[in-house]
Amino acid sequence: RKEVEQDPGPFNVPEGATVAFNCTYSNSASQSFFWYRQDCRKEPKLLMSVYSSGNEDGRFTAQLNRASQYISLLIRDSKLSDSATYLCVVKYTGNQFYFGTGTSLTVIP
Amino acid sequence: EPEVTQTPSHQVTQMGQEVILRCVPISNHLYFYWYRQILGQKVEFLVSFYNNEISEKSEIFDDQFSVERPDGSNFTLKIRSTKLEDSAMYFCASSSDISYNEQFFGPGTRLTVL
Repeated sequence: RKEVEQDPGPFNVPEGATVAFNCTYSNSASQSFFWYRQDCRKEPKLLMSVYSSGNEDGRFTAQLNRASQYISLLIRDSKLSDSATYLCVVKYTGNQFYFGTGTSLTVIP
Repeated sequence: EPEVTQTPSHQVTQMGQEVILRCVPISNHLYFYWYRQILGQKVEFLVSFYNNEISEKSEIFDDQFSVERPDGSNFTLKIRSTKLEDSAMYFCASSSDISYNEQFFGPGTRLTVL
C-alpha cells in the first residue's frame, strides 16, 4: 500500500513561533518527497522539495529520514501569511504522486 | 509568470450526464496530470499523461474517465455518466521534466453532480 500520513492538526501558534510538522509514508519504493501548501479552496502550491541531506529555504527547513520513512517540515518565525494547510507529497516509482491529508496551521497575531 | 488555467471554474451537471473539464498546461511542459479533491478530503491522483498517452493511472481512474490532448494546448478530462460521488474539485497540473518533479497546479474546476 502507498499511504502518506500526517497529523491533521489544527496547529494554532502565535506569530514568531516555531512549528514542526511530521509525515510518514508506508512504502519504501518511494522516489521523491515534497511539501506543498494549500490555502482554503485554492490549488496546492509547491513549498519545497525534500532532499536526503535536508534542505532549507529561508524560514523553512525540510528533513527526510528514509530509514524511518519520515519527513518533517520546520517553520521558524511564523508569519500570519503562513496560515494554510501543509501537504506532504510522496512520488513513488513511475509518475504517481500521493498526497497526505494535510496539516492545518493557523498563526495567531 | 506562466500558469496552468482551467475552465470552467464551476460545473453543475445532472447525474448520468457527461462532462468535459478543460485545462491549458504551461506551454513548454511535457507532463500533465489530473487530480481530484473531494471536499474535506485529500488530493487524490487520477492520471498522468506524457507523449500523447497515459503513463500512470490510479484505481479511481476507471472506464468512466478518459483524457485527451486534442491539440497542442488543451488537456481534457472527460467523465462519462457522472455519479453523485464524482462531486469534487478537479485539479490539472503540469511539469516540464519528470526528473525535476515540480508540478504546477491550475486553480481547479469544482464539479457538482445533482
